[in-house]
Amino acid sequence: EDKVVQSPLSLVVHEGDTVTLNCSYEVTNFRSLLWYKQEKKAPTFLFMLTSSGIEKKSGRLSSILDKKELSSILNITATQTGDSAIYLCAVAKGAQKLVFGQGTRLTINP
Amino acid sequence: SQTIHQWPATLVQPVGSPLSLECTVEGTSNPNLYWYRQAAGRGLQLLFYSVGIGQISSEVPQNLSASRPQDRQFILSSKKLLLSDSGFYLCAWPSLRGNTIYFGEGSWLTVV
Repeated sequence: EDKVVQSPLSLVVHEGDTVTLNCSYEVTNFRSLLWYKQEKKAPTFLFMLTSSGIEKKSGRLSSILDKKELSSILNITATQTGDSAIYLCAVAKGAQKLVFGQGTRLTINP
Repeated sequence: SQTIHQWPATLVQPVGSPLSLECTVEGTSNPNLYWYRQAAGRGLQLLFYSVGIGQISSEVPQNLSASRPQDRQFILSSKKLLLSDSGFYLCAWPSLRGNTIYFGEGSWLTVV
């Protein structure tokens, strides 16, 4: 059975801290790994990773995929209160289906 | 550009009542469309996907059904809601390059 597991499930840090969110997967027909940010409503797309070892970066957020370890991390540096959200990891399989992890609820305190 | 609309945004329904959630896509033709559900404190679960009019695949056995009466319309239904049907329902479609999936605004369903 396909499985995507995120850790930690919940994380509370202070503004300015750096955080690392983890995602591991066991999925057949892997195509890519995606990260989404979900605030109050629908998830918004952050990154898509297909190749191992190549870091994707957008401002203070970055992510990398390790296909050997079947995992990915999402880093956020110099966190701000606006980074508070649920971060979802998903693996795309054939037919454009996504298998999602449970999400990590990140809270940034001022 | 492609846009996706879902309605209603929120819904409170009694157990045993019917359900209809609608999703409409604009700016694209013959897209694959998806219905996901997110239960409280959990990740998203794929319920149905459709590759075209009248073509529906169900991912998990459940109390819900889906239909695609037109190319750009995807409907999620139930004849009799259960408490366990409560959740956040999201319609989604893939990007033009097929390398990611975008979501509609979502519909909050509370079954009481």
